[in-house]
Amino acid sequence: ILNVEQSPQSLHVQEGDSTNFTCSFPSSNFYALHWYRWETAKSPEALFVMTLNGDEKKKGRISATLNTKEGYSYLYIKGSQPEDSATYLCAFVHGSGNTGKLIFGQGTTLQVKP
Amino acid sequence: AAGVIQSPRHLIKEKRETATLKCYPIPRHDTVYWYQQGPGQDPQFLISFYEKMQSDKGSIPDRFSAQQFSDYHSELNMSSLELGDSALYFCASSSRPLGEQFFGPGTRLTVL
Repeated sequence: ILNVEQSPQSLHVQEGDSTNFTCSFPSSNFYALHWYRWETAKSPEALFVMTLNGDEKKKGRISATLNTKEGYSYLYIKGSQPEDSATYLCAFVHGSGNTGKLIFGQGTTLQVKP
Repeated sequence: AAGVIQSPRHLIKEKRETATLKCYPIPRHDTVYWYQQGPGQDPQFLISFYEKMQSDKGSIPDRFSAQQFSDYHSELNMSSLELGDSALYFCASSSRPLGEQFFGPGTRLTVL
């Protein structure tokens, strides 16, 4: 069984705070790690697809790092804004005879208070 | 830009009834994935298609079947519905297997 764990489950921060979440995944047979941002009643929106150990990716105030040897990825949000409030999902893709199916973590729900 | 379309967005059925969920991928995407997210649970992979052929199968009950048609849209057919089938069903499309997946808004199925 492949387990993807995210922590914390939920997070409440004030506007302007910086925050980070963790995604843990199996360190063997790694192919890719996806991060999604999911607002209620909308489609999950792809943030990053990370494939290489040591990868760092950035999109505006959001960035992510990847450590495939130890099996974790961090997502950082700098200067959180109320519009960042959403659930952040990571999804693991393993590399053994895989067709691309995503194995999701349970998500981290972020609430940013004005 | 065109996104993944799912229909219907909401569906209410009685136990033992049948439901059909539809997914229209982004144009020129030939790969479709279906996921199920039960209340308080992680999204779980059900089934995927590449070039109109089933490419992978997850924890999909035998009561469910799916296919991808010549225009690449996909349908998930669910028979003998049970209360436990109540969930949000997502479809995602990709331009290739293992590529980035773009999600639709989901179909919320409620079984009474």
